[in-house]
Amino acid sequence: KAGVTQTPRYLIKTRGQQVTLSCSPISGHRSVSWYQQTPGQGLQFLFEYFSETQRNKGNFPGRFSGRQFSNSRSEMNVSTLELGDSALYLCASSPGGGSAQHFGDGTRLSIL
Amino acid sequence: QQQVKQSPQSLIVQKGGISIINCAYENTAFDYFPWYQQFPGKGPALLIAIRPDVSEKKEGRFTISFNKSAKQFSLHIMDSQPGDSATYFCAASSLMNTGFQKLVFGTGTRLLVSP
Repeated sequence: KAGVTQTPRYLIKTRGQQVTLSCSPISGHRSVSWYQQTPGQGLQFLFEYFSETQRNKGNFPGRFSGRQFSNSRSEMNVSTLELGDSALYLCASSPGGGSAQHFGDGTRLSIL
Repeated sequence: QQQVKQSPQSLIVQKGGISIINCAYENTAFDYFPWYQQFPGKGPALLIAIRPDVSEKKEGRFTISFNKSAKQFSLHIMDSQPGDSATYFCAASSLMNTGFQKLVFGTGTRLLVSP
């Protein structure tokens, strides 16, 4: 079974731009969650989608948004990029119902 | 109350030794405690997890010990190998009414197993 796939693996952007990251969950998984990983703040929860609906949201500004498609694939968008948005963005999927979350290898976003 | 405190920050163990990483939590609503292993350039991989109805869970060389009254849990890696060198994260979560386990992560422990 293929794991969680995130694209692209690396991105370089400049301040003020916007970016879209993509996540394909494990086949059959309907829950997709996003996390930000930085050396200073560690792993922090961004939001979670299930059946195309955002069910849970972390403490991030509205510049961070996402969506989920009918095939469970998810995208995350960050607008008006800031230097502090430089991070590894991780996507995790699970079947739902409190099952374990499995992570992809992330997208490394660098802001210049 | 949502924090999970993890120690030590880094750990060096000789090959064949026992690696021990500790975590503590405050929120008594937490009911799921996974450990993740992360190699450079990779995402966290689920290693082993426990629920509070048991005090210990073992999978191969990896064991979780759980102390509900002390609100602490730990990961033991027996017969540590150089290939175990990675960063380990503990996490805790409670099942939300939406059916989602929102993970709260510890700060990570960088383990180096010397040959």
